[in-house]
Amino acid sequence: GEEVAQTPKHLVRGEGQKAKLYCAPIKGHSYVFWYQQVLKNEFKFLISFQNENVFDETGMPKERFSAKCLPNSPCSLEIQATKLEDSAVYFCASSQSITGHGYTFGSGTRLTVV
Amino acid sequence: SQQGEEDPQALSIQEGENATMNCSYKTSINNLQWYRQNSGRGLVHLILIRSNEREKHSGRLRVTLDTSKKSSSLLITASRAADTASYFCATDADGNNRLAFGKGNQVVVIP
Repeated sequence: GEEVAQTPKHLVRGEGQKAKLYCAPIKGHSYVFWYQQVLKNEFKFLISFQNENVFDETGMPKERFSAKCLPNSPCSLEIQATKLEDSAVYFCASSQSITGHGYTFGSGTRLTVV
Repeated sequence: SQQGEEDPQALSIQEGENATMNCSYKTSINNLQWYRQNSGRGLVHLILIRSNEREKHSGRLRVTLDTSKKSSSLLITASRAADTASYFCATDADGNNRLAFGKGNQVVVIP
């Protein structure tokens, strides 16, 4: 399709619970990116994929965050043992190249940790 | 470090007026992009300008790039209420491995 589909739109988790977010990139886009936006401010880069391979994971918190992009499946971002500070909107984007084309963003998943 | 810092942070204008916002960055780039974010939505790509370009137009949008000053401006002409949004610039300056976004510039167009 021509849009990046993110599910769910909203997710509420108790502190310590697991959260899993999904992203279906645009077909034909080789790159997938995850960003975290807290309080409508800046976008913090988390991780990028080139097809199913991790391209750059330097933004990922080491211990509790993980992500995958497997063939024929939506990409996923998983947070183990969520903390209050994980509350944010998580955006997925896809692109034909790493920085040479515009990114197409999904509508985001709003994660609220209570 | 955060690449891309928009200035001013918030702008309120009357419908029909022009809106200008600026973005500065710190290191050399291959391109600079502008995005719009409506409340509660994802970023929408507006325009990409390459480092060898000085000006680019798209509809009512005009983007300039001054690589000697490491700055860019986004001009929205004849603004409409629907232009109310936050506008972000992004560069590939952060090691060329991803786009790094600025803090955003909120524009409110009053009907």
